[in-house]
Parts: sequence; structure tokens; C-alpha cells
Amino acid sequence: SAVISQKPSRDICQRGTSLTIQCQVDSQVTMMFWYRQQPGQSLTLIATANQGSEATYESGFVIDKFPISRPNLTFSTLTVSNMSPEDSSIYLCSVYRGKAFFGQGTRLTVV
Amino acid sequence: QQQVKQSPQSLIVQKGGISIINCAYENTAFDYFPWYQQFPGKGPALLIAIRPDVSEKKEGRFTISFNKSAKQFSLHIMDSQPGDSATYFCAASSNSGGYQKVTFGIGTKLQVIP
Repeated sequence: SAVISQKPSRDICQRGTSLTIQCQVDSQVTMMFWYRQQPGQSLTLIATANQGSEATYESGFVIDKFPISRPNLTFSTLTVSNMSPEDSSIYLCSVYRGKAFFGQGTRLTVV
Repeated sequence: QQQVKQSPQSLIVQKGGISIINCAYENTAFDYFPWYQQFPGKGPALLIAIRPDVSEKKEGRFTISFNKSAKQFSLHIMDSQPGDSATYFCAASSNSGGYQKVTFGIGTKLQVIP
């Protein structure tokens, strides 16, 4: 199993600002995944983060908008930059250990 | 392009009834088919999963039926309870560059009414 802690659990942000979401895993993992869950939508993979290398972004997501850090094998951050109301979503951190485990998510509202 | 199609998007079932959620996929490289349950304010949690060499898997009140030739699979919740009210996601995964890449369906919001 895996225990994943995400912070913050929710936030309300002004448009044009940035928010950094933290993800802490209880044990070392090679890859960490960041997902976005827009209201009424499915989970969409934003990027895959390996320790010591640049994150790999999925189609439609770019590093300038969603920079990711992966400083060690138990921690990652996702920044949502220059936010607009369209970025209002739940952002989820995930690891794969035989099956996918998820953090509780960060509910972001951009006003 | 939606690789995993899920229906219905919402479902209301009476307590004690059977909840059925259907999914279809296109990519024959998928080799693992999990279902996730998500309560409000929580991340998705694995409920039950199946591999394509099995046609059915049952765990308690939850059963996955899998039809490989039709590329379809479904979740049946028997004797549905109000505590089952949640959003359910079907998913499919395959090995991609050394890790399992998971593709999710759009989700089904289930409400079980007393």
C-alpha cells in the first residue's frame, strides 16, 4: 500500500497568481503522477515525475504552466502558474505500487 | 479521443437494488482493468480489478464482468446500500515506458436512496 499526503487540501486563489501543491509519500517510489479532475470530468494525467529528471508532460500540458519538482523519492510538487478560472479543478497526486494510489486531492478555486 | 467510455454518468438506485455501470475500451494493449470509488473530498480508492484472462471477478457485493471480444467490462453492485453512494471510475492500464499508464472513464455518480 501507499499513504499519500497532499497539501493544501483546498485553496481559493486570485487569477494571475500561482499555487504550489505538495505531495508526500510514506515510502520511496520511482515515479509520481499528477492528475487533474475538472468538475464533472474524469481524471486526466498531467505529467509523470521521476526523481532527478525533468517531468514528462501529457499532450495539452506544458512545463511553463505546470512546473513540477521531484527533489527526492518521497516528495513532489506541482505548481499551477498564472491561474485563470479554467484552472479550477481538483489536483491529485498518485503513485503506482501494484495499483494506483491517490492522495486526497487539492481542490483549487480560481476567482 | 476518449479511450475508456463509461456510462451512465449518473445513476439512482433504491437500497437493496443492483447498480450496474458499463465501460468500453478501444486499445487492445490494455491489460489491467480497475474500478475506483471516490467519496466527496477524497481521492479515488481501488475497489476491485480484473485482468483480461478472466471473465468475472467477485469481491463481496462487487462483481466485474469482462468481455474481451467486445472490449467491454462492467461493475455490478449487489444489494446496493446508501453507503455505496459515491463516484465510480472504470479504468484501463497498460505498460508504457516501464510503468503502468492508467486511463480513466468519465465517472458515474451513484446515489443509493433508502
